Amino acid sequence: DQQVKQNSPSLSVQEGRISILNCDYTNSMFDYFLWYKKYPAEGPTFLISISSIKDKNEDGRFTVFLNKSAKHLSLHIVPSQPGDSAVYFCAASGAAGGATNKLIFGTGTLLAVQP
Amino acid sequence: EPEVTQTPSHQVTQMGQEVILRCVPISNHLYFYWYRQILGQKVEFLVSFYNNEISEKSEIFDDQFSVERPDGSNFTLKIRSTKLEDSAMYFCASSISGGAWETQYFGPGTRLLVL
Repeated sequence: DQQVKQNSPSLSVQEGRISILNCDYTNSMFDYFLWYKKYPAEGPTFLISISSIKDKNEDGRFTVFLNKSAKHLSLHIVPSQPGDSAVYFCAASGAAGGATNKLIFGTGTLLAVQP
Repeated sequence: EPEVTQTPSHQVTQMGQEVILRCVPISNHLYFYWYRQILGQKVEFLVSFYNNEISEKSEIFDDQFSVERPDGSNFTLKIRSTKLEDSAMYFCASSISGGAWETQYFGPGTRLLVL
């Protein structure tokens, strides 16, 4: 099941710079897209989401962009901080006309923010 | 801040044994979920549960698996006869409603090792 893909397994950025994490999907029926952050030995923590009818959602240092024609979304973190170092999962929900709310996850990107 | 809790944090069992993983969802949440993550793989949906019934299940959730809400606070996942391939991190999640837009909050997980 490759409906949600994160092609970069890891990303390293300097503190204060922008982190850009990317995600691609194949199912055009998804209604919502979410980003979760996961630290070792913890469960995924919700970060930010975006509806398929929008192209941008911003929350503090975090902004998610959605390009429906390209079936691509990205998470921007500005400025990046060492505490942002974690695995970031892209997830999608709401396929099948909203009859399902199960989350379909990507494989994750390990972000390392260097001090 | 309310959170989802899970017990035990780690469980080691012999192949063929039954295990019960326990979760306490956030108190005012009505929808409950189990996901799992096999080492090195994606987080995968197993089952969703509402009003004492399974609302959706994946192909992974076969007859060896069952879920129950035995009282007003606990939500359990039972694996009747564990197999080596059941070794994974199991995450419980809950949400206020079942809409695709509704944030699912995850617990810290139970690491299950089947020998």
